[in-house]
Amino acid sequence: KAGVTQTPRYLIKTRGQQVTLSCSPISGHRSVSWYQQTPGQGLQFLFEYFSETQRNKGNFPGRFSGRQFSNSRSEMNVSTLELGDSALYLCASTLDGHLTDTQYFGPGTRLTVL
Amino acid sequence: DAKTTQPTSMDCAEGRAANLPCNHSTISGNEYVYWYRQIHSQGPQYIIHGLKNNETNEMASLIITEDRKSSTLILPHATLRDTAVYYCILGNNAGNMLTFGGGTRLMVKP
Repeated sequence: KAGVTQTPRYLIKTRGQQVTLSCSPISGHRSVSWYQQTPGQGLQFLFEYFSETQRNKGNFPGRFSGRQFSNSRSEMNVSTLELGDSALYLCASTLDGHLTDTQYFGPGTRLTVL
Repeated sequence: DAKTTQPTSMDCAEGRAANLPCNHSTISGNEYVYWYRQIHSQGPQYIIHGLKNNETNEMASLIITEDRKSSTLILPHATLRDTAVYYCILGNNAGNMLTFGGGTRLMVKP
């Protein structure tokens, strides 16, 4: 079974631009979560989608948004990029989004904001 | 607020057992303890999880104290490929959101 895939793997943007990242979960998985990882803050939860609905949200500004499609693929969008948005963005998928479900992480998208 | 506390770093000799502790004194009754690890430049990898009983799988064993305020991840025969940051996480009872703390950087040495 193929794992979680994320595209693109690397991205360079400038301040003020916007960016869209994509995540394809493991086949059959319906829940997708997004995380931001930076050296200073560690790994922080952004939001989780299940059946095309945002179910949980972390403490990030409204510039960070996402959506999930009917095939469970998910996109994350960051508008008006800031230098501090430079990070590794990880997505994880689980079967049904239950507490005991194992989260399987993708390789991440490394975003650099100049 | 940090819900788990782990040592920042640990060393282990190759072939020996690596015992990674985690304190979670404010754990609530329905929160699970999860362990993930992250090898440099890769996404986190699930290792094991448990509620109150000890658990074992092909990768590791998880020992949870009776009061559930702490746990230990045991890698029985550490190899150089086990060098990674190990995260002890409590499963959020509002869903499957994971809150990662600082983790323990385990260095396995030959």
